[in-house]
Amino acid sequence: DTEVTQTPKHLVMGMTNKKSLKCEQHMGHRAMYWYKQKAKKPPELMFVYSYEKLSINESVPSRFSPECPNSSLLNLHLHALQPEDSALYLCASSQGQGYEQFFGPGTRLTVL
Amino acid sequence: GESVGLHLPTLSVQEGDNSIINCAYSNSASDYFIWYKQESGKGPQFIIDIRSNMDKRQGQRVTVLLNKTVKHLSLQIAATQPGDSAVYFCAENPTAAAGNKLTFGGGTRVLVKP
Repeated sequence: DTEVTQTPKHLVMGMTNKKSLKCEQHMGHRAMYWYKQKAKKPPELMFVYSYEKLSINESVPSRFSPECPNSSLLNLHLHALQPEDSALYLCASSQGQGYEQFFGPGTRLTVL
Repeated sequence: GESVGLHLPTLSVQEGDNSIINCAYSNSASDYFIWYKQESGKGPQFIIDIRSNMDKRQGQRVTVLLNKTVKHLSLQIAATQPGDSAVYFCAENPTAAAGNKLTFGGGTRVLVKP
């Protein structure tokens, strides 16, 4: 299984809502990532988990809260988002540093 | 600061011709490079990678060239097909320092004309 899955595919939420994005991989990868991608822009790294521990936080606002419950799952909890947070949120996984990252299809998030 | 960038935002190519996408990088510590293809509504898809101890690597219809002297990376697609229409991103990973951090270039859109 060489696939990274993400749910939901689309999400519309209000600024007062709390929601979560989910990501799963069964490739035995020990590094997992969250990226944010705006239209016509490259993916921007948000968080990196290595061996289920947060190793990189790219100064992401606290309204985004990542969680890695186990080596196969990665969540992104959302609370009190702003309309400018609307974007495609991509999850990726890799064997580790210096190996290709496999991306999921993304969650298209719209904040009203 | 350090960055990865692309020279051409859009490349229009005739079906059957070869495509060349260029990428400049400025972090001399980068030692691992990847090309991704992203189709509309999808996540980036791995195409090919190259490490800094190589200057050329070939895959199926694709070749990546790395020129460390001028910090330049290119992706060549042979016999471009309509299914190659997408946005292509180069990405770099300075493995010694970055802690699994991959930095993407700005992207080049490839449009294949029938």
